Amino acid sequence: EPEVTQTPSHQVTQMGQEVILRCVPISNHLYFYWYRQILGQKVEFLVSFYNNEISEKSEIFDDQFSVERPDGSNFTLKIRSTKLEDSAMYFCASSFGGIANQPQHFGDGTRLSIL
Amino acid sequence: GENVEQHPSTLSVQEGDSAVIKCTYSDSASNYFPWYKQELGKGPQLIIDIRSNVGEKKDQRIAVTLNKTAKHFSLHITETQPEDSAVYFCAANQFYFGTGTSLTVIP
Repeated sequence: EPEVTQTPSHQVTQMGQEVILRCVPISNHLYFYWYRQILGQKVEFLVSFYNNEISEKSEIFDDQFSVERPDGSNFTLKIRSTKLEDSAMYFCASSFGGIANQPQHFGDGTRLSIL
Repeated sequence: GENVEQHPSTLSVQEGDSAVIKCTYSDSASNYFPWYKQELGKGPQLIIDIRSNVGEKKDQRIAVTLNKTAKHFSLHITETQPEDSAVYFCAANQFYFGTGTSLTVIP
């Protein structure tokens, strides 16, 4: 069964540095998402992306964050000038259909640790 | 925005018993309610979903019920097995997750 893959599985970064989290969505999916989960808490929506542009974003997704689909397979989340509170699991997801409520498939996440 | 509440936060059942997890939502316009199972070190995995045009959906030992009037929906797992132990999340309209229920099935 096709999977969403995320790299790296664990990223350790010094506070203030930039970090890029990478995702390879399922190949025929058209909608892509990033979520974050602080340890022991619920999954929080960050952003959705379709047709090379952001379609929806949450209050968490401020100017510190950006997303990009640099080629036909990768989907990236960039966090500029990381802060301690950015430490969390970051999940990428993809779906064939869009915000009209189609099932999402999640990757296993990248654990981001900010020191 | 949408607010999803989930109860209980932890649930322990004996193997073979049933487990019920309940969620409420605030936005009456919400029309899609997925349930996810998250095992340790893994991403959420969709296990069942329901749309607002139906009141109940079943898939083997798992069922979900939806009460649009009361704005609540529930996950029912029958004949629980140790491998059902995980954290379960409800969600409304894809993006809005509940706070999770840690289910432990005791052999």
